[in-house]
Amino acid sequence: AQKITQTQPGMFVQEKEAVTLDCTYDTSDQSYGLFWYKQPSSGEMIFLIYQGSYDEQNATEGRYSLNFQKARKSANLVISASQLGDSAMYFCAMSPLYNFNKFYFGSGTKLNVKP
Amino acid sequence: GAVVSQHPSWVICKSGTSVKIECRSLDFQATTMFWYRQFPKQSLMLMATSNEGSKATYEQGVEKDKFLINHASLTLSTLTVTSAHPEDSSFYICSARAIAGRGDTQYFGPGTRLTVL
Repeated sequence: AQKITQTQPGMFVQEKEAVTLDCTYDTSDQSYGLFWYKQPSSGEMIFLIYQGSYDEQNATEGRYSLNFQKARKSANLVISASQLGDSAMYFCAMSPLYNFNKFYFGSGTKLNVKP
Repeated sequence: GAVVSQHPSWVICKSGTSVKIECRSLDFQATTMFWYRQFPKQSLMLMATSNEGSKATYEQGVEKDKFLINHASLTLSTLTVTSAHPEDSSFYICSARAIAGRGDTQYFGPGTRLTVL
């Protein structure tokens, strides 16, 4: 069975500072993908970054980077130089590579960026 | 690219009526679309997987006769909440499967907030 755990229900960060959102996962699959989505108060889910389980390098997309530690089964999202517009819910998700129809979501982390 | 739209963005209806929500992939074809439900301050719960030209696959515990899904074309899937009741009030989000760089991902619509009075 797959399980995604986000242990931080809420976090605060000062504007322009970096912040790390934690995500751990549990799976028996050898091949899988890890995703982070942002959900602002408007409700839409915005895809941020993807990491494949066989990727040797950590994924980066602009100010977003994924700290992937396979042995620890963690896929933390790092946001550098936080902006006020980064305030939102953040969801970690995982999907087996053989079945991208199955997305497993964590419970989410509410990030508040303070001016 | 990979834009998904939903219509309506919010709807209020009376108990016992049916409500149809549309999900469209605007700039790509989606053979597979997904319908999620999200309660306040909770994560997304997958309701069903919608495949173009075939019956939807429902997750355990989701009533297929209550939540009718039709994937009539490669760019359109609809969710109809039949005989809606107040407990059906929720945020409904659709997504469409698309190839994104190194792997598949799901692109989400903006969601539909349903309130049943």
